[in-house]
Amino acid sequence: EVQLVESGGGLVKPGGSLRLSCVASGFTFSNAWMSWVRQAPGKGLEWVGRIKSNVDGGTTDYAAPVKGRFSISRDDSENKLYLQMSSLKTEDTAVYYCTTDPDSSPYYAFDYWGQGTLVTVSS
Amino acid sequence: QSALTQPASVSGSPGQSITISCTGTSSDVGSYNLVSWYIQHSGKAPKLMMYEVYKRPSGVSNRFSGSKSGDSASLTISGLQAEDEGNYYCCSYAGRNTYVFGGGTKLTVL
Repeated sequence: EVQLVESGGGLVKPGGSLRLSCVASGFTFSNAWMSWVRQAPGKGLEWVGRIKSNVDGGTTDYAAPVKGRFSISRDDSENKLYLQMSSLKTEDTAVYYCTTDPDSSPYYAFDYWGQGTLVTVSS
Repeated sequence: QSALTQPASVSGSPGQSITISCTGTSSDVGSYNLVSWYIQHSGKAPKLMMYEVYKRPSGVSNRFSGSKSGDSASLTISGLQAEDEGNYYCCSYAGRNTYVFGGGTKLTVL
């Protein structure tokens, strides 16, 4: 059974930094491209970014609102995905979901999701 | 990249059919047959309901169907059931290795 478990959320001041983690199990994580998707309170879903598998180059892509401030990385030895967030703004307040990326899905869609971790940016 | 446009809410009675629209642009929905749909219940993670416009993942009822015309996609649910209630989101590949979601539609089964 595929499981994705996020952690690391919390309260942070504007301009601050935070690192989210996601531990994966139930599939070959090292072969998987992974994404982060967020959801502001009461709002819709927003794709944040993704990382390819290291076999496919390990490169990253980001949505415009977070480019230059967020960084996605992975540790295949520990089956972990990370989202390093810096220069945080109040509009980054959201639940952050770890997901398998469409390029690693037989459905070409976000088919596995974690339960999410809440990040609150407030002074 | 602007969010795809969905109606804020739709409703229907049990047994009826409803359709949720998802309007994008020629840069996303109009250019790729990579539209997917998700249902989200309160406090839960989204669940995939439709992919590549009209294909159903294993386990999803055939009461769900999808289509696309031009820059718009649609999700139709026939034979509405109480369990179909929730928030529905569309998503499209938007080129340049990016994705865009819709704002979400709250489905109420009356």
